[in-house]
Amino acid sequence: DQQVKQNSPSLSVQEGRISILNCDYTNSMFDYFLWYKKYPAEGPTFLISISSIKDKNEDGRFTVFLNKSAKHLSLHIVPSQPGDSAVYFCAASAPLDSSASKIIFGSGTRLSIRP
Amino acid sequence: DSGVTQTPKHLITATGQRVTLRCSPRSGDLSVYWYQQSLDQGLQFLIQYYNGEERAKGNILERFSAQQFPDLHSELNLSSLELGDSALYFCASSPRLAGWDTGELFFGEGSRLTVL
Repeated sequence: DQQVKQNSPSLSVQEGRISILNCDYTNSMFDYFLWYKKYPAEGPTFLISISSIKDKNEDGRFTVFLNKSAKHLSLHIVPSQPGDSAVYFCAASAPLDSSASKIIFGSGTRLSIRP
Repeated sequence: DSGVTQTPKHLITATGQRVTLRCSPRSGDLSVYWYQQSLDQGLQFLIQYYNGEERAKGNILERFSAQQFPDLHSELNLSSLELGDSALYFCASSPRLAGWDTGELFFGEGSRLTVL
């Protein structure tokens, strides 16, 4: 049962344009969402997060949008740079007092920024 | 450098064997998570420990077990290995029980297990 889904395994974007990565979730108990970035031969690193009480969080070139009614979140990167080429994982977690007190990751989207 | 250390980085073994993967969390982090990433798959949550106690279990096989020691390092034991167990095994740590308030986990570089 995939509670966090990233339906696009890969995405190619031209340098300087906007990259939009999408993520859907099914468990309504999730109330905190995160994006991680992973380079080859390295562990994932935290990128940006959003609480369910917000619909947008921005950090420099990175913005995460949350649509709770649609159980959908997206990561926008603008402008896209060559160093953004990596695998991006969406993740979700639930409050400590719920049965889902663990962080669930999606399958990842490989972003390639072309010159 | 995340501060999380995993050993060994690479391991090649045969089917039916048993291996132990080790993780040292960041200094001060009480929570340790284990994830499995098979080829082109996402990060599958295996198990979480907090201050020595098991707190959450995911899709961990009965052939696999883990523990967290008093010094907070953790070990993941994989036994009766099968070809399908070949994967990258990541350890992550956080200072809190689930990391949910900041949401940030600090990952090691992973241990790549190859079962032949």
